[in-house]
Amino acid sequence: GAVVSQHPSWVICKSGTSVKIECRSLDFQATTMFWYRQFPKQSLMLMATSNEGSKATYEQGVEKDKFLINHASLTLSTLTVTSAHPEDSSFYICSARVGWRDYNEQFFGPGTRLTVL
Amino acid sequence: GQNIDQPTEMTATEGAIVQINCTYQTSGFNGLFWYQQHAGEAPTFLSYNVLDGLEEKGRFSSFLSRSKGYSYLLLKELQMKDSASYLCAVMDSNYQLIWGAGTKLIIKP
Repeated sequence: GAVVSQHPSWVICKSGTSVKIECRSLDFQATTMFWYRQFPKQSLMLMATSNEGSKATYEQGVEKDKFLINHASLTLSTLTVTSAHPEDSSFYICSARVGWRDYNEQFFGPGTRLTVL
Repeated sequence: GQNIDQPTEMTATEGAIVQINCTYQTSGFNGLFWYQQHAGEAPTFLSYNVLDGLEEKGRFSSFLSRSKGYSYLLLKELQMKDSASYLCAVMDSNYQLIWGAGTKLIIKP
């Protein structure tokens, strides 16, 4: 099956610093990648949708200047949490989908646990 | 607004059968997904239904009724490793996934 990797798996950083999370589709080309955030005991919350070569579409309430998304190639998308604060501590998960408007299963990465001190 | 409802938590016994229900109200419908998520891990795909009826895959089955906005996930011969959260998600008219809050399934020996 399709594999999506994320790096790093977990990261601890100081408040005010920036953290970059990479999401890669290892054996397929992903036209669309999604970034989710999940707080403990809550469901996945979609943060943004990124399509290769274009600007990401952010969900309401998600600050695009704080959560920078770059989908530079068909196999790589990055999420940068800028000036991180303790409330940004969460489980960040990316997923990748092949295809555009047709159904295609989303393949999830293993997630990145971010802790901001 | 868009809404996905599923029970918060369910408990079942090892070897038994459990049915997890999901009701939805979304702007458009392009299929319903069930995912399994173990604590601290990302979701893994279980099933996809776009037509009414039952889809069976080993110990897991998923049912859909579009007219009722209803689906269920049926787990048979429960094993301890089935203890996890089960997420119901609907793909809306914009091909975006709308997620339920998940049902935490606790399996007891």
